[in-house]
Amino acid sequence: GQQVMQIPQYQHVQEGEDFTTYCNSSTTLSNIQWYKQRPGGHPVFLIQLVKSGEVKKQKRLTFQFGEAKKNSSLHITATQTTDVGTYFCAGEGGSQGNLIFGKGTKLSVKP
Amino acid sequence: DAGVIQSPRHEVTEMGQEVTLRCKPISGHNSLFWYRQTMMRGLELLIYFNNNVPIDDSGMPEDRFSAKMPNASFSTLKIQPSEPRDSAVYFCASSPFVGPLNEQYFGPGTRLTVT
Repeated sequence: GQQVMQIPQYQHVQEGEDFTTYCNSSTTLSNIQWYKQRPGGHPVFLIQLVKSGEVKKQKRLTFQFGEAKKNSSLHITATQTTDVGTYFCAGEGGSQGNLIFGKGTKLSVKP
Repeated sequence: DAGVIQSPRHEVTEMGQEVTLRCKPISGHNSLFWYRQTMMRGLELLIYFNNNVPIDDSGMPEDRFSAKMPNASFSTLKIQPSEPRDSAVYFCASSPFVGPLNEQYFGPGTRLTVT
């Protein structure tokens, strides 16, 4: 079934550096969602993007949805140790058209 | 407001035993989802309910797995008999919307270990 691909798998940054994770689908998505999971925790909903080319910001986090609605990115400016965790994108996919989660990008931040 | 509640938080059992995981969704939410998370396979949807009705159970790995939602405030995921490969973290999530493509709110998960 349709997969949602996410890169990179891991990212190690120095505190204060920027971070970006990318999500790609081979088919057009109706929407894309982003979640954050802290180590030992559960996925927490961050945002949903619906419109082509949409850009949304949450403090230091910037989310983009591609013009073709096949890709998305999450950018964190000036990372902090509190940003540590795994960031997942999720979009429509699979044989049943359910919400499919990418494998996630695990972010570690060195103080 | 209370979030999604899951119990138990940890479960250790022996192969062949029956395991029952429980979930209380956020009050007023219309959809409920069961996921399994492992390092190898990531986060996988097992089954979801709309208004207490099972809609898609295509992700349930085998007949050993079953899920019920007898009312709007309670759901169970049962594994009988359990096997070591069932070891994973099982999450329950709920959504205020009907359907699988809207924002979901996850519970803390149940870490299952089958020896």
